[in-house]
Amino acid sequence: QKEVEQNSGPLSVPEGAIASLNCTYSDRGSQSFFWYRQYSGKSPELIMFIYSNGDKEDGRFTAQLNKASQYVSLLIRDSQPSDSATYLCAVKGGGSNYKLTFGKGTLLTVNP
Amino acid sequence: EPEVTQTPSHQVTQMGQEVILRCVPISNHLYFYWYRQILGQKVEFLVSFYNNEISEKSEIFDDQFSVERPDGSNFTLKIRSTKLEDSAMYFCASRRTSGSLYNEQFFGPGTRLTVL
Repeated sequence: QKEVEQNSGPLSVPEGAIASLNCTYSDRGSQSFFWYRQYSGKSPELIMFIYSNGDKEDGRFTAQLNKASQYVSLLIRDSQPSDSATYLCAVKGGGSNYKLTFGKGTLLTVNP
Repeated sequence: EPEVTQTPSHQVTQMGQEVILRCVPISNHLYFYWYRQILGQKVEFLVSFYNNEISEKSEIFDDQFSVERPDGSNFTLKIRSTKLEDSAMYFCASRRTSGSLYNEQFFGPGTRLTVL
């Protein structure tokens, strides 16, 4: 059973701080890794994807991947109250179908 | 900006009834997906569809479920005889097969299915 694990939270940070979200996965054949944001009652919205070891930056967001440790993280700099949401880690395994396996998500609350 | 649309937004049905959930993927996308999310739980893959056939399905996607692309725009999920445990949010997603954004699955807003 291929698993994606995340701390469910809630993770609470003050406005302007760095929020750090973590994810581990069990399938060593996983190829691509995605971070989605999901507001309550809404659909997942892609923030970033990463498939090479190291860091990938996009604005206030940085994704970090360590395939040897089977670990992926998302840093949110200068956190804003509008960042308050559940952050879903999703993993694409081998194969061409691009089926995503999701973690349960981490609830982030940014306090003004 | 193109987006995936889904209808209805909320469907209430009686146990044992058939339901059809509808999706219109983004027009130049060729891969289509259904996922579901039971309240408070993780998003779960149901099925992927490409070139007019199922390319992969999960254990959840049993004989009660079917998918179809009845025309050039719609993509449907049918549940033949609904059970209480089918109550969930159902998301449709679509993906390009080439280009710089081919990795990204675009999700529709979802259909909330309530089985009574």
